[in-house]
Amino acid sequence: NAGVTQTPKFRVLKTGQSMTLLCAQDMNHEYMYWYRQDPGMGLRLIHYSVGEGTTAKGEVPDGYNVSRLKKQNFLLGLESAAPSQTSVYFCASTGEGVTGELFFGEGSRLTVL
Amino acid sequence: GQNIDQPTEMTATEGAIVQINCTYQTSGFNGLFWYQQHAGEAPTFLSYNVLDGLEEKGRFSSFLSRSKGYSYLLLKELQMKDSASYLCAVMDSNYQLIWGAGTKLIIKP
Repeated sequence: NAGVTQTPKFRVLKTGQSMTLLCAQDMNHEYMYWYRQDPGMGLRLIHYSVGEGTTAKGEVPDGYNVSRLKKQNFLLGLESAAPSQTSVYFCASTGEGVTGELFFGEGSRLTVL
Repeated sequence: GQNIDQPTEMTATEGAIVQINCTYQTSGFNGLFWYQQHAGEAPTFLSYNVLDGLEEKGRFSSFLSRSKGYSYLLLKELQMKDSASYLCAVMDSNYQLIWGAGTKLIIKP
């Protein structure tokens, strides 16, 4: 089973460039999340979605946009990348309500020069 | 503000028992989670506690005291593969997960 798949796994950007991270899940989950993980800090929620066509801001949404046009996909966009956005990004999903077990993708390591 | 505290790093010996503590201060409480994360990999779910007491699952157990804002993860019969970071996360009154920075557990032979 594929579970949660993120692409790309690695990317290097120059300041000001744009890119999109794709998250796809094949578990028919309603809830999907984008987190960033930085050394010495807990996972921080960027944006989330409670169903197809819905999105909401998390703890650190500035500089990011998201879309959930299809239930299985959740896209994270960086319109103008900044060095502060250098991080490991994790997508997660759950189908058991908000208190359910989160299933994470393998992570996308983004470096902004 | 909301805060999750757990030790940064712990070392234990293969075959032994280790207890990883987590204390929290959050706006409301809707459950506490433990996840395991091996270096360079995704977090994976270990346990969920919403009521006080001990939940046992094989070699791993998780304890919760809501009145003390305290939880621990107990790992028994440690194996080398248990070397990983252990993440504590609390769901607040808005059903948002607040994550601790994680405890890196090093297992020595």
